[in-house]
Amino acid sequence: GEDVEQSLFLSVREGDSSVINCTYTDSSSTYLYWYKQEPGAGLQLLTYIFSNMDMKQDQRLTVLLNKKDKHLSLRIADTQTGDSAIYFCAESRNTGRRALTFGSGTRLQVQP
Amino acid sequence: GAVVSQHPSRVICKSGTSVKIECRSLDFQATTMFWYRQFPKQSLMLMATSNEGSKATYEQGVEKDKFLINHASLTLSTLTVTSAHPEDSSFYICSAESPGGYGYTFGSGTRLTVV
Repeated sequence: GEDVEQSLFLSVREGDSSVINCTYTDSSSTYLYWYKQEPGAGLQLLTYIFSNMDMKQDQRLTVLLNKKDKHLSLRIADTQTGDSAIYFCAESRNTGRRALTFGSGTRLQVQP
Repeated sequence: GAVVSQHPSRVICKSGTSVKIECRSLDFQATTMFWYRQFPKQSLMLMATSNEGSKATYEQGVEKDKFLINHASLTLSTLTVTSAHPEDSSFYICSAESPGGYGYTFGSGTRLTVV
């Protein structure tokens, strides 16, 4: 199976909170990241969390990490139409290759 | 913050020709860069790791002779798609480890269409 998994699609109304979930399998993950990709564009780093942290908040973004369950989530408060994009979680590892391993991406659609 | 510049952003070429994509770290040195390929509505798949001054490391299933990588300086890595075919049409993205060791900075991507 995939090393990093995400649900494919999420639809919310403007002003609501969005929660995007991600599960990973490698216990040696050191950092976990959330990237945003708009159509036809590269990836924009939103936030990251170190594997020994449980929670990180940065303005409208809150990242929760459950290391026991290998579950990562990204909460976007007061979601705006400009938040519509694909969100990728990714992990970097202590062992093996240094490149990131990406999830399949979650397409967030924000309805006015 | 750190910026990775990738060019061209879009290219259309004929089958059988070669295309070069450049990835440049603008305000930092990158001894290692990564090349990804992304199919429509799919995730990023690592193609190869580009190492300054040495040979690139390719992922399993990626043809070295087809996807030539050169990392001749600390700020520039290039990916050349040789003898391109329509199945090579894809979105190619490069990245480098951000200074300070937190995160990776990505280029804006290159949309390659082979006709």
